[in-house]
Amino acid sequence: DTAVSQTPKYLVTQMGNDKSIKCEQNLGHDTMYWYKQDSKKFLKIMFSYNNKELIINETVPNRFSPKSPDKAHLNLHINSLELGDSAVYFCASSQDKKVANTGELFFGEGSRLTVL
Amino acid sequence: DAKTTQPNSMESNEEEPVHLPCNHSTISGTDYIHWYRQLPSQGPEYVIHGLTSNVNNRMASLAIAEDRKSSTLILHRATLRDAAVYYCILRGGSGNTGKLIFGQGTTLQVKP
Repeated sequence: DTAVSQTPKYLVTQMGNDKSIKCEQNLGHDTMYWYKQDSKKFLKIMFSYNNKELIINETVPNRFSPKSPDKAHLNLHINSLELGDSAVYFCASSQDKKVANTGELFFGEGSRLTVL
Repeated sequence: DAKTTQPNSMESNEEEPVHLPCNHSTISGTDYIHWYRQLPSQGPEYVIHGLTSNVNNRMASLAIAEDRKSSTLILHRATLRDAAVYYCILRGGSGNTGKLIFGQGTTLQVKP
């Protein structure tokens, strides 16, 4: 079983559309994240939720809205898509929010979004 | 968060050891040193982390300098599957946000 699974894996859409990427983890973790990897391959955190509560919001445009129906799911909804939103989006989870001493984030395989 | 510096790329031969360096001269006393790697077309994968002492696990070893201003990730026998981007990341021990700041990493090429 995949620990952190994202759907869809590929998404091609037109500018101005609204789309969602879903993420589920079956590890029983309390904390989930969304990271964005742009064309230059830099990975940056966007959001983090701990037990359905938003704990990190990295000045992401408000067209991006994460939604956590329960602690095993963190979905990313994007309104009014722009060309610059094209990237690979990674979902991740960790046992708790104190990554420094527990160490490990588990990442999904990524969802490649292409905006035309 | 303290900054890390890694070489852009390194090459290795298959079945030979690989030493991937990381400089972190501004590390604070509570910063943990984490290593992740990203295989092509996959998400990042945790490799190892440590604070002061050297660490070993099934994937790799982490050697931390006595002054903690540098560290080295050691792959004991590189395989073709180890070709990836390796990221050295510092995380504050007092931090509670779980945020990892990824730099450019080191792209490791493994030659057969």
